[in-house]
Amino acid sequence: AQSVAQPEDQVNVAEGNPLTVKCTYSVSGNPYLFWYVQYPNRGLQFLLKYITGDNLVKGSYGFEAEFNKSQTSFHLKKPSALVSDSALYFCAVRDPYNFNKFYFGSGTKLNVKP
Amino acid sequence: NAGVTQTPKFRVLKTGQSMTLLCAQDMNHEYMYWYRQDPGMGLRLIHYSVGEGTTAKGEVPDGYNVSRLKKQNFLLGLESAAPSQTSVYFCASSSWGQNSNQPQHFGDGTRLSIL
Repeated sequence: AQSVAQPEDQVNVAEGNPLTVKCTYSVSGNPYLFWYVQYPNRGLQFLLKYITGDNLVKGSYGFEAEFNKSQTSFHLKKPSALVSDSALYFCAVRDPYNFNKFYFGSGTKLNVKP
Repeated sequence: NAGVTQTPKFRVLKTGQSMTLLCAQDMNHEYMYWYRQDPGMGLRLIHYSVGEGTTAKGEVPDGYNVSRLKKQNFLLGLESAAPSQTSVYFCASSSWGQNSNQPQHFGDGTRLSIL
């Protein structure tokens, strides 16, 4: 079965500091990985994706993610956090054998303090 | 461009009542999905559709039915609501792209409480 895990329920970081939100995956076959952000009372918004190629993927709002096949990880990063980055972040994997299915992690709440 | 629109935004039901949640997308996407979001559990797929007139079960389909009579609309029905179905429901849509690299577009959710 395909799955992703987000080991941290919450991440706290000071504004201006780098941030990392962790995600590990378990996939049979090549992984198709995504990061989404959710603001209060809103739906999920797409940030970035890894399909193939360069292990460092750049996305919206200055976020990037590093794909590491040996560690089966896809951590979300940003060099300098903003208070407005505070939100709920979800990692997701698309089932390589059934492209219609996505599996989401449990989410990580990012708190950026001024 | 409205994207994905869900109606209603909030609803309170009594146990045993029925209701239908509507999802509409204006992006001409082939695929549509219904998820439920519960605290600490992320999103779980209820049902999905790969095109007009076709539907399929996801991870947690019991107690729900769906229909996709038109490409732009995907309806989620609860025939006899139960307190365990209290949740936030999200609809999403996506297109088919090369290497399956198309992300999903989400609506803002329907907050449903079953008393």
